[in-house]
Amino acid sequence: NAGVTQTPKFRVLKTGQSMTLLCAQDMNHEYMYWYRQDPGMGLRLIHYSVGEGTTAKGEVPDGYNVSRLKKQNFLLGLESAAPSQTSVYFCASSYSKPWSGSGELFFGEGSRLTVL
Amino acid sequence: AQTVTQSQPEMSVQEAETVTLSCTYDTSESDYYLFWYKQPPSRQMILVIRQEAYKQQNATENRFSVNFQKAAKSFSLKISDSQLGDAAMYFCAYNKFYFGSGTKLNVKP
Repeated sequence: NAGVTQTPKFRVLKTGQSMTLLCAQDMNHEYMYWYRQDPGMGLRLIHYSVGEGTTAKGEVPDGYNVSRLKKQNFLLGLESAAPSQTSVYFCASSYSKPWSGSGELFFGEGSRLTVL
Repeated sequence: AQTVTQSQPEMSVQEAETVTLSCTYDTSESDYYLFWYKQPPSRQMILVIRQEAYKQQNATENRFSVNFQKAAKSFSLKISDSQLGDAAMYFCAYNKFYFGSGTKLNVKP
């Protein structure tokens, strides 16, 4: 079972460049999320989606955009990358609601992004 | 806003012994879920255990158990009979939104 798949796994960007991270899940989950993980700060929620065509801001949304055109895919975009966006990005999905529900998060393997 | 605090950046335990990882949180909600996730060096996050705030009974999953103190807003993870494979980063989470900063667990043979 593939579960949650993120591409690419690694990427190096120059300041000001743009890029898109793709997340795909094959579990038919309604809810999807993007987090960033920085040393000493745990995971912080960037954006999330409660269904196809709907997205919402998380704790640290500035500098990122997202789209959920298909239920199985959740894209994270950086329009003009900055060194502060150097991080490991995790996509996750769940069958239960973000703000309640016993269902856990199913995570991808992470994407390491370096912005020079 | 809800916050999750893990005050132990790093801990060590001898193989076969017991260790407890601490987590506190802040919320004004009455019903919520708390989770512990494990992140080994492979970076893949996996669920260890979950607890619903309405349930008085502490959750248990094999060697993993929690001490949930709702009034104190405390949610600690106890690992019994520690194994080398338990070495990882452990994150406490409130619902899907908020994570603690993590505790790195070292297991000594």
